[in-house]
Amino acid sequence: ETGVTQTPRHLVMGMTNKKSLKCEQHLGHNAMYWYKQSAKKPLELMFVYNFKEQTENNSVPSRFSPECPNSSHLFLHLHTLQPEDSALYLCASSLSTGAYEQYFGPGTRLTVT
Amino acid sequence: DAKTTQPPSMDCAEGRAANLPCNHSTISGNEYVYWYRQIHSQGPQYIIHGLKNNETNEMASLIITEDRKSSTLILPHATLRDTAVYYCIVRVAPISNFGNEKLTFGTGTRLTIIP
Repeated sequence: ETGVTQTPRHLVMGMTNKKSLKCEQHLGHNAMYWYKQSAKKPLELMFVYNFKEQTENNSVPSRFSPECPNSSHLFLHLHTLQPEDSALYLCASSLSTGAYEQYFGPGTRLTVT
Repeated sequence: DAKTTQPPSMDCAEGRAANLPCNHSTISGNEYVYWYRQIHSQGPQYIIHGLKNNETNEMASLIITEDRKSSTLILPHATLRDTAVYYCIVRVAPISNFGNEKLTFGTGTRLTIIP
């Protein structure tokens, strides 16, 4: 138990659906991250928020839309996804983007049909 | 950030020390070495980090060569629960709370602990 929770743990959605992934951290951290882990590929950083401000968008397609209403919550809104977007989506947090250690949630396994 | 090279897989007998090597020959003076691991179906877990001195915590020891071009993560008494993918990452030292120094994960070493 890392103090970072993600819901849902598993999600199956069609290409025309709209869904959202939720991440919550109970660690008092100020930075939150979305990563994507596809099969046989390294983790890819998608978005970074530091003190609720987005500081990094790693050339992510607009069908992925992040939202960070406060330092404890992070959302990833999904719409019109493609089958190649099927992956494990991981949320992480750290005290700040300058902190040494990131704490990861268990991930959401997304399947796009 | 400097690139790292790790063996794709390793085995270790349960109860023995697991020594995981990492090469980072292009590391810069202001870059730290980090180790994370990812147990199957879980998110990565921070293990340890260091700059140039050897480091030890409750999980592992990190040995960094004097020229800093390679390092070894040591799990002193490996258990079956240590079976995971281990990532060696080099990252520029953050200079402030607003630093944007990213963690760049590679493909890591898949460590299997054999009963």
